[in-house]
Order: sequence, then C-alpha cells, then structure tokens
Amino acid sequence: EPEVTQTPSHQVTQMGQEVILRCVPISNHLYFYWYRQILGQKVEFLVSFYNNEISEKSEIFDDQFSVERPDGSNFTLKIRSTKLEDSAMYFCASTRLTKNTEAFFGQGTRLTVV
Amino acid sequence: GESVGLHLPTLSVQEGDNSIINCAYSNSASDYFIWYKQESGKGPQFIIDIRSNMDKRQGQRVTVLLNKTVKHLSLQIAATQPGDSAVYFCAENTDKLIFGTGTRLQVFP
Repeated sequence: EPEVTQTPSHQVTQMGQEVILRCVPISNHLYFYWYRQILGQKVEFLVSFYNNEISEKSEIFDDQFSVERPDGSNFTLKIRSTKLEDSAMYFCASTRLTKNTEAFFGQGTRLTVV
Repeated sequence: GESVGLHLPTLSVQEGDNSIINCAYSNSASDYFIWYKQESGKGPQFIIDIRSNMDKRQGQRVTVLLNKTVKHLSLQIAATQPGDSAVYFCAENTDKLIFGTGTRLQVFP
C-alpha cells in the first residue's frame, strides 16, 4: 500500500538554527500539506501546496516557514530560525484531489528545539 | 470562527463493548467529514468518511452517523478491542483538514 514517508523521525535542534523536514508524498497525489501537533493538542493546519505553489497557509505559517518541492518526489518544510515553541510533531499529508478526498499522513517528525 | 470540536476528552470502555465517540461542528456548509485514529507517536490514520448527502456509513466494525440538523457526527466502534485504544479525531475537509480536539479511547479487559 502506498504511503507518505517522512524523515527524520526525530530532530533535535538548538534555538535559532534552521531545520528542514522532508516528506515523500504518494506518487500520484497532487496536493501536499504540512500539519503540526503540539504535544497533547490537536492537529493544526500549516500550509497546502499545489502545482508548485502555496495554495493556502495558516497564521502559524509565518515568514520563518517555507515549503519547497525541489524535485519530483520530495516536499520539504523549512524553519529558518527555530524557536522553543516550534517544538511539535510535524505531519506531512498528501491527497490525490483536494476537497472531499482522503488525506494520507506520514508518521511525522518530532521536532525538539532546545 | 468555525470550529470542529468533541464532547468528551476521554472514553473508557470494556473490551467487547461498543464505543461511541461524538463530534460537533459549527460550519453548516461543511459537506465532508473524516474520522482519524491516532496511535501514540504515529500520524493520523483514516478510518471512515462521510459526505453530507448521507446520514450513515458503515465500514468494518465502524459506523459513522451524521446529523446535519444538529451538526453532529459520531463514530461507533463495534466490539471494541485493545487495538482500538487511541485518540480519535473528527475532521472537516474543506480544502484542508480542520481537526477537532480528539477523544482518547481507552479499552480495558
């Protein structure tokens, strides 16, 4: 069964450092997403991406965040200067279509900012 | 703003019993909902979905009910098993997923 894969599974970084979280969406999917889940809280939307550009972003997705699809398979989330409050699980998801279609999630990257 | 939320944070059931997890939504224009299961340290896993032109949908051991009049949906799990222990989220799917806060299901022997 096809799946979304994320690397690394756990990333520890110092405050102020840049991190790049990587995702390989399902190959025939067209829409890609990043979500965040702070420990014990609900999953929150960060950004959606389609046709090599951002479709929508939330208030959380400020200038410190960026996304990129550098090649035909990877989808990355970059945080330029991490803050303590960026510590969370980051989930990548992809869908074949947009609305009214099932989203498949990766296993997540646990980001710990120290 | 519009929101999707859950009534109960924790539900404890005995193995073999049926479980019912509830969810309320506030956007009357919502037309597609998904239930996700999240086990500890893992990403959300699709369980079942329902569109607004339906009021019931059944899967394997799971049933989702949608009541558009009161903007409520529920997830029923039949013969709950220890492997069902997880956090369950309802999510409204617009062009992105809007998740509720989650209900933790605990199954005891």
